[in-house]
Amino acid sequence: GAVVSQHPSRVICKSGTSVKIECRSLDFQATTMFWYRQFPKKSLMLMATSNEGSKATYEQGVEKDKFLINHASLTLSTLTVTSAHPEDSSFYICSATPGQEETQYFGPGTRLLVL
Amino acid sequence: AQSVTQLDSQVPVFEEAPVELRCNYSSSVSVYLFWYVQYPNQGLQLLLKYLSGSTLVKGINGFEAEFNKSQTSFHLRKPSVHISDTAEYFCAVSVAGGYQKVTFGIGTKLQVIP
Repeated sequence: GAVVSQHPSRVICKSGTSVKIECRSLDFQATTMFWYRQFPKKSLMLMATSNEGSKATYEQGVEKDKFLINHASLTLSTLTVTSAHPEDSSFYICSATPGQEETQYFGPGTRLLVL
Repeated sequence: AQSVTQLDSQVPVFEEAPVELRCNYSSSVSVYLFWYVQYPNQGLQLLLKYLSGSTLVKGINGFEAEFNKSQTSFHLRKPSVHISDTAEYFCAVSVAGGYQKVTFGIGTKLQVIP
């Protein structure tokens, strides 16, 4: 149980284009989802917390207009990297929490490469 | 605010030898503690967690960790490692009591040598 999927697993795009990454909880309802960014050989940096039906809460230093997060249902959250630039290249990982449970379940990650 | 320190960035160990990955945390309130494993180009998988109760926590793949409140530590151990244990291990902490934001350490790369 508690499986989280991400799509796509890998994406290459041109600078200036937008990329959408989907995060789905497959066997539970996720009232809260999280988006992380992981740089090479670094830990996970929380970008934002997404609650179903409300606006995401962004961490300090994360541009909300650049990283658009939508949590339209209890099983789906999307992260859109708008006007992507090479410095946005990274490994993006989402996680989800069922209800009030304290454990986060992670997706497999999405490798974004912006050329 | 909570913080996590993983003292070793890399730990090489021979196959079938025991291993301990160290984790210390800092918090002024009660915490939940987690260990996650990340294989190359994959997301994180929960190994084990401490919420309350017994300070010795057993997880998947033969790993265990002990919560030591006086030393603010949550070290991860395995008595005999396998090649397949080669991965990045992350210690994480959150404030106890319902859902709270999780703070991760920088990770420890476990390299099992045949």
